Amino acid sequence: DARVTQTPRDKVTEMGQEVTMRCQPILGHNTVFWYRQTMMQGLELLAYFRNRAPLDDSGMPKDRFSAEMPDATLATLKIQPSEPRDSAVYFCASGLGARGGEQFFGPGTRLTVL
Amino acid sequence: AQSVAQPEDQVNVAEGNPLTVKCTYSVSGNPYLFWYVQYPNRGLQFLLKYITGDNLVKGSYGFEAEFNKSQTSFHLKKPSALVSDSALYFCAVRDNGGGADGLTFGKGTHLIIQP
Repeated sequence: DARVTQTPRDKVTEMGQEVTMRCQPILGHNTVFWYRQTMMQGLELLAYFRNRAPLDDSGMPKDRFSAEMPDATLATLKIQPSEPRDSAVYFCASGLGARGGEQFFGPGTRLTVL
Repeated sequence: AQSVAQPEDQVNVAEGNPLTVKCTYSVSGNPYLFWYVQYPNRGLQFLLKYITGDNLVKGSYGFEAEFNKSQTSFHLKKPSALVSDSALYFCAVRDNGGGADGLTFGKGTHLIIQP
């Protein structure tokens, strides 16, 4: 049963600390998305990659967020320095890249910045 | 720009009754439409999608949705609700033309099925 995995599942940190979230997409999927879910804003697209190349990161605060795909089996989302307003659930999703194709979501990382 | 509206924050239905969760959308071109379900502390699970063709789409767990182009709607339906259907439901859209590949989601609708 192929699934998107994300680590850690929960992260509590203090303001100013660096946070790194990791995602392993489904094997063979060439498109990876990062979303953020908050009560106020709902689900927002932060960034996405195709074949490991970043295609759109317009949803990300560039001064503190960065997203990378070091290889086809790993995507990372880093926040440095973290702020309380970054507290949210961060989801990774993967897909086959076709515009009509569904995305498969991981379980999310719940981030709390104190 | 594309957008999705889910006008109801919460829908309450008695078990065994039909349910409808509403969704309307706005895109510049033609839409690809999706429904996802989220259970507490879980990621989103894909239910169904409309790409082209038949306006009535059938998906997982007995759910279906009807695409109505004139009303720009894609309401989710089920003929007989189960208590286990209680969850948070998201409608999402993507333009089938240019633009980003990411989905634009609605705010979500809490579906509560009462025994």
